[in-house]
Parts: sequence; C-alpha cells; structure tokens
Amino acid sequence: DAGVTQSPTHLIKTRGQHVTLRCSPISGHKSVSWYQQVLGQGPQFIFQYYEKEERGRGNFPDRFSARQFPNYSSELNVNALLLGDSALYLCASSSATKLFFGSGTQLSVL
Amino acid sequence: QKEVEQDPGPLSVPEGAIVSLNCTYSNSAFQYFMWYRQYSRKGPELLMYTYSSGNKEDGRFTAQVDKSSKYISLFIRDSQPSDSATYLCAMMSAGGTSYGKLTFGQGTILTVHP
Repeated sequence: DAGVTQSPTHLIKTRGQHVTLRCSPISGHKSVSWYQQVLGQGPQFIFQYYEKEERGRGNFPDRFSARQFPNYSSELNVNALLLGDSALYLCASSSATKLFFGSGTQLSVL
Repeated sequence: QKEVEQDPGPLSVPEGAIVSLNCTYSNSAFQYFMWYRQYSRKGPELLMYTYSSGNKEDGRFTAQVDKSSKYISLFIRDSQPSDSATYLCAMMSAGGTSYGKLTFGQGTILTVHP
C-alpha cells in the first residue's frame, strides 16, 4: 500500500506570493494533519482535519489555511509568503492515534 | 519553557554501542508517546509507540515512559551506521480534538561511526 504522498517535493517562491501544498493520506485514513518543520527544530502542528472538518489549529497566523476533500486528501494554503515561512511542510495521516508522515514539501521563500 | 525538552546533541558513538536518547515534558495530559526517526530532508518515520507508562521493546529498540517523572527514553542496542539520523520524541494528549496534534521535541542528531 502507498504511504502518505505529498506534492510538490520542492518549491521556490518569492515574498508575497501564495502557495498550495497537497497531500494524499494512506488509504482508509480519514484524518490528515499538517506540520511545519524549520531546520534544526522539531515539527510544529499547524492543522488537523477529520472527515473534512477542522479539528485543531496550531499557533499560526490566518495566512495559513487548509481544507480536506471528500476523498480525504488535503491542501495547505499559505498567503502573503514571508521569508520565515521557508521550511519543510509535513503531512501526516492517521486512523487512530498513530501518525504516519509523508516526505514533505521543502518550501523556500526568496 | 517548552512543553517537550530534548537534548539536540549531536551524539556520536562507535558501531555496536548502546545509545540512550531522552526527553522530558511538562504537560501531564500527555498519554501517547512516540519516537520518530528522520533522515536528512525526509519525513519522520514512526519507530516506537507507547500508551501511558511502561516499557516497549521492538528488536534493537526499547522505549520507556515514566509518567511520574515526566521522562521518556529510547534505547538502541548494537547501534549500526544505518541508525545515523535525527531522533524525535513526540507526545499527544487523549480526547477528540487532541488526536492528530503531536508535540515534538527538538530532535537529537545521532551519528554511529563504523
């Protein structure tokens, strides 16, 4: 079975632009979470979605938004990009309390 | 003060050594405790999963949770060069809106020399 898939793997944007990151969970998993990992730090929780509803939000500005589709895939959107948004963005899927991560999208903001 | 504290290392050991990695935490609501391994620029891989206190063993890996001391450990026996990676501890509370929200430590960089 395929694991969590994320696209694109790498992305370069300039300040002020908008970005959309995509995630497909493991088949049968209904929950998707998003994390931001800055170099040298552990991942930080951004959002969790379950059955298309937002179940949790971390301490991130409103420039960050997400949604989950009927097939349980998810998008993370970031508006008005800042240099500090440069990070590895990770998606995790879960069926209960175990989270499995994708390889992430490396976002560079110039 | 961070909810989860983890010594970032780096930690360098010879092949075959026993490695001990540790995290402390402050949130007594944490019920689920995990260790992830992360290779450079890859996603974290779930290594060990423990609910509440106790020990769990899986091959060369042993995870320990001491909720009374708010302290968790990961032991790696007979360490191999392929174990060289960043090890992240992660924790989660129980209850509806907590599921899916992991709180991570900073990660410990481990290098195992041949």
